Amino acid sequence: AQSVTQLGSHVSVSEGALVLLRCNYSSSVPPYLFWYVQYPNQGLQLLLKYTSAATLVKGINGFEAEFKKSETSFHLTKPSAHMSDAAEYFCAVLYGGATNKLIFGTGTLLAVQP
Amino acid sequence: GAGVSQSPSNKVTEKGKDVELRCDPISGHTALYWYRQSLGQGLEFLIYFQGNSAPDKSGLPSDRFSAERTGGSVSTLTIQRTQQEDSAVYLCASSPSRANEKLFFGSGTQLSVL
Repeated sequence: AQSVTQLGSHVSVSEGALVLLRCNYSSSVPPYLFWYVQYPNQGLQLLLKYTSAATLVKGINGFEAEFKKSETSFHLTKPSAHMSDAAEYFCAVLYGGATNKLIFGTGTLLAVQP
Repeated sequence: GAGVSQSPSNKVTEKGKDVELRCDPISGHTALYWYRQSLGQGLEFLIYFQGNSAPDKSGLPSDRFSAERTGGSVSTLTIQRTQQEDSAVYLCASSPSRANEKLFFGSGTQLSVL
């Protein structure tokens, strides 16, 4: 079955600390992978996407994610958290073919403590 | 318009009533998606349109839900005989052609069924 798993519905880090948000997917072929972010009272926006050009993908606001096929993972990281990073983060996987279905994980709410 | 527009932004209805939710995608975007966002549930895929066709309706929760898209533009999501469990934020997103491109999300319609 097609699925996306985000470990940890809530993650709290201190300002300046490493941010690591986990995402695993189920797929027999390398899919397209995305991270979207939803800031408080705002709509979802694309943070970064993997489309097989490079396994390490850099996105906006200093975030990056690494595609690891052997682990079926696409974890999101940022070396140093900022207060403005507090938001909900969603991992998404595109299963192509005729359906072109983009499936989202359940989201991880990131809190940044001063 | 400049972005994806959804109306109404908020809808309160009584159990058993029908509701219509509207989505105006970005002009020229051929792909259109509907998702439902419930607290703690992440984004639940409902339906995907490519032009006026819906290749994948598998996400519609029941036969009370239907959607259409006309002229390759505006889409309407209809929920008949609403139930309290239908209460959620309904999000619409569009992209230029396929979901492996960036999705642009609307601000959503908050539906409350009393």
